[in-house]
Amino acid sequence: NAGVTQTPKFRVLKTGQSMTLLCAQDMNHEYMYWYRQDPGMGLRLIHYSVGEGTTAKGEVPDGYNVSRLKKQNFLLGLESAAPSQTSVYFCASSRRPAGGGETQYFGPGTRLLVL
Amino acid sequence: AQKITQTQPGMFVQEKEAVTLDCTYDTSDQSYGLFWYKQPSSGEMIFLIYQGSYDEQNATEGRYSLNFQKARKSANLVISASQLGDSAMYFCAMREDTGRRALTFGSGTRLQVQP
Repeated sequence: NAGVTQTPKFRVLKTGQSMTLLCAQDMNHEYMYWYRQDPGMGLRLIHYSVGEGTTAKGEVPDGYNVSRLKKQNFLLGLESAAPSQTSVYFCASSRRPAGGGETQYFGPGTRLLVL
Repeated sequence: AQKITQTQPGMFVQEKEAVTLDCTYDTSDQSYGLFWYKQPSSGEMIFLIYQGSYDEQNATEGRYSLNFQKARKSANLVISASQLGDSAMYFCAMREDTGRRALTFGSGTRLQVQP
């Protein structure tokens, strides 16, 4: 099991460029999440998905779009990158609620620098 | 809305000593989960311990224990017998137990273990 993988690991963009971050999980998880982590801060929720074909906004969705066409993949898109989107992006997944200490499984992160 | 507060930006501890990392939370939900994650300098998010809001016993996982005081809305992490490898950022997080089941993170505490 690879768990949660993210592509790419690192990327430099110029302001106005677009890109897509790919998250893939092989655990058959229903729930998937995109978070961003800025220096000195905890992770903040950008978008999430509770199942294939469904997505919803989190706390900081502006400037991002997402898609979940396949259960195992969750894509995060930046249509027109801005320096304020320089951050580390984490994808996470979890099973359909089973109660208790079911944690979210995190990918290794994607470091994005927007110049 | 949920909120997590970690008031200790940085902590030092001597190797082999115990250390407590503070976390307070705010929520109007009756059912929720509390988590601690470790983020070493390599950047990945490592799950440490979980406490459910209805759990009467404090959670323990090896050298980690969670001091849960529901009335005070605190969920402090206690690391016993600190090791040099414990040096990292530590994040407290809360998960809502309904709907999106996303995590809300605190700003983190940087722990440095000194030999």
